Amino acid sequence: QKEVEQNSGPLSVPEGAIASLNCTYSDRGSQSFFWYRQYSGKSPELIMFIYSNGDKEDGRFTAQLNKASQYVSLLIRDSQPSDSATYLCAVLIQGAQKLVFGQGTRLTINP
Amino acid sequence: DAGITQSPRHKVTETGTPVTLRCHQTENHRYMYWYRQDPGHGLRLIHYSYGVKDTDKGEVSDGYSVSRSKTEDFLLTLESATSSQTSVYFCAIRDFYEQYFGPGTRLTVT
Repeated sequence: QKEVEQNSGPLSVPEGAIASLNCTYSDRGSQSFFWYRQYSGKSPELIMFIYSNGDKEDGRFTAQLNKASQYVSLLIRDSQPSDSATYLCAVLIQGAQKLVFGQGTRLTINP
Repeated sequence: DAGITQSPRHKVTETGTPVTLRCHQTENHRYMYWYRQDPGHGLRLIHYSYGVKDTDKGEVSDGYSVSRSKTEDFLLTLESATSSQTSVYFCAIRDFYEQYFGPGTRLTVT
């Protein structure tokens, strides 16, 4: 089992709808979770991080964490064509100083 | 952009030649990381550093070495480049628990 798993997509969502991206992780002791956005040919950009169970909102983005289910998600409300990118989930493994990344989900927002 | 630069941004080299990639940061972060990104493999950690002269291996360290003689610079060396090391290389720094990435270096080994 991979340490961090994401559906590779592609995920296609109409403009203005809610895009939902999901990630599961295997290390039950993980404490910190991150979402990165990566446009084609560019470097990953940190857009959200969450450390506690529940929801964290920042503008159109909401990160949701459920440690009991070992599940973290990213919701993008009012999706825009500029949200089209690959979204990477990353988990800070307990006791380590390094992130483990999922393979990424490619999201396309259709006008 | 977290004050991270990488050089060179693009490089083409021949098999068997040594290559050094440089990561430079301006904000005195303790932790620095080197990743490679390949289709189908995502981002994979090569080496990281937790201080001057303090480094450790990541999951794909074979064929790579690193050095950190100053806080601001973290060098990645391919002693004898192979075609399997053709990739995009990203440097990152850590600020608290969050990591921020540099712009990347596209390396092609022919």
